Amino acid sequence: DAGVIQSPRHEVTEMGQEVTLRCKLISGHNSLFWYRQTMMRGLELLIYFNNNVPIDDSGMPEDRFSAKMPNASFSTLKIQPSEPRDSAVYFCASSPTDYSPLHFGNGTRLTVT
Amino acid sequence: GDSVTQMEGPVTLSEEAFLTINCTYTATGYPSLFWYVQYPGEGLQLLLKATKADDKGSNKGFEATYRKETTSFHLEKGSVQVSDSAVYFCALSDPRQGAQKLVFGQGTRLTINP
Repeated sequence: DAGVIQSPRHEVTEMGQEVTLRCKLISGHNSLFWYRQTMMRGLELLIYFNNNVPIDDSGMPEDRFSAKMPNASFSTLKIQPSEPRDSAVYFCASSPTDYSPLHFGNGTRLTVT
Repeated sequence: GDSVTQMEGPVTLSEEAFLTINCTYTATGYPSLFWYVQYPGEGLQLLLKATKADDKGSNKGFEATYRKETTSFHLEKGSVQVSDSAVYFCALSDPRQGAQKLVFGQGTRLTINP
């Protein structure tokens, strides 16, 4: 079991550029969560999916953010256009059932200059 | 809405010292409570959990008891090690809103000196 795999580990980009963060779920998991971590706001839930369907996206900051699950094992979080205030560590987490603990990836550290 | 408040860090202790990290919560329902740990450069890992009042979660020498009367879930360890240095997060989930929709505290950075 390789765990939840996120890529890239680090991303540095200029303001206005499109950024795509990627996440591979653990095989057999059917729930997927995207979190953002900053010093000021701590850990914030952005969106979560169950069986590839978005269940709650109320944490997505604004229309510049979008998330997809093109298949049961993969998800992307896209920011277009990116802004300096988007700089944070973005975590993906998955779970096998509605009542099982989350398994987190190692995160993507995003820096927007 | 639901919220979690943790004692502010950083916390610095010597090896073999006793550890307490305070956590209190506000929730309208009957939440499940969790402690997660984040080691440098890694994602969060579940440390322990409790799903109802008076339950005690324990793992790796850490313990926390779900106290409904004081709305608390304090983390304790009798003798800390250098390898316990990490950031610790208290969290809750309300089963009515989805058991995995976690609300996290701000985190407490713990450093253990040899």
